[in-house]
Amino acid sequence: GEDVEQSLFLSVREGDSSVINCTYTDSSSTYLYWYKQEPGAGLQLLTYIFSNMDMKQDQRLTVLLNKKDKHLSLRIADTQTGDSAIYFCAERVYSSASKIIFGSGTRLSIRP
Amino acid sequence: NAGVTQTPKFQVLKTGQSMTLQCAQDMNHEYMSWYRQDPGMGLRLIHYSVGAGITDQGEVPNGYNVSRSTTEDFPLRLLSAAPSQTSVYFCASSYSETSGGVGEETQYFGPGTRLLVL
Repeated sequence: GEDVEQSLFLSVREGDSSVINCTYTDSSSTYLYWYKQEPGAGLQLLTYIFSNMDMKQDQRLTVLLNKKDKHLSLRIADTQTGDSAIYFCAERVYSSASKIIFGSGTRLSIRP
Repeated sequence: NAGVTQTPKFQVLKTGQSMTLQCAQDMNHEYMSWYRQDPGMGLRLIHYSVGAGITDQGEVPNGYNVSRSTTEDFPLRLLSAAPSQTSVYFCASSYSETSGGVGEETQYFGPGTRLLVL
């Protein structure tokens, strides 16, 4: 089956690094994604990683993919108050180019 | 480019009414999808399309119809609205390709339609 799981909440002090974790079940995933959703807004694609990569870095964001354990993580360096949002992990399943399975989201809150 | 546009932004329906949620994109993307988002849950796929004339069901298709007569438009129809269909609906379009073993992805979500069924 296809399932994506992530923890519901994460609280981080401003300036520290945030690490949001995700596990998925479909070993044939092609792309894995991280989205950001701010209150009342749609989803914004933050970054993605292709399944033949282990790591992708984009400014303050680092994505790590462990295919053996089916584990994906998003690290946000120097977390700021503007990073407060819900972060969704998602996978594109191989069986359908247009089918993306989402996790239920991790709410990131920033402490001063 | 306008990206992905959705109309209406808000809608209130009575049980049993029908309506169409509009979605359009001007990026010539082949792939388009409809999702619903309920409180405390991620997005669930309702229907998707890999090109004009081709549609398929997602995780939660019951009570919804779609059609894709053009590349640009992908309307979602609620046949007979039920309170369980109260949700926020997102349309998305995407394009992906693999070249030399490296994948590139372009994906956009619309701003959403908030639907309340009484």
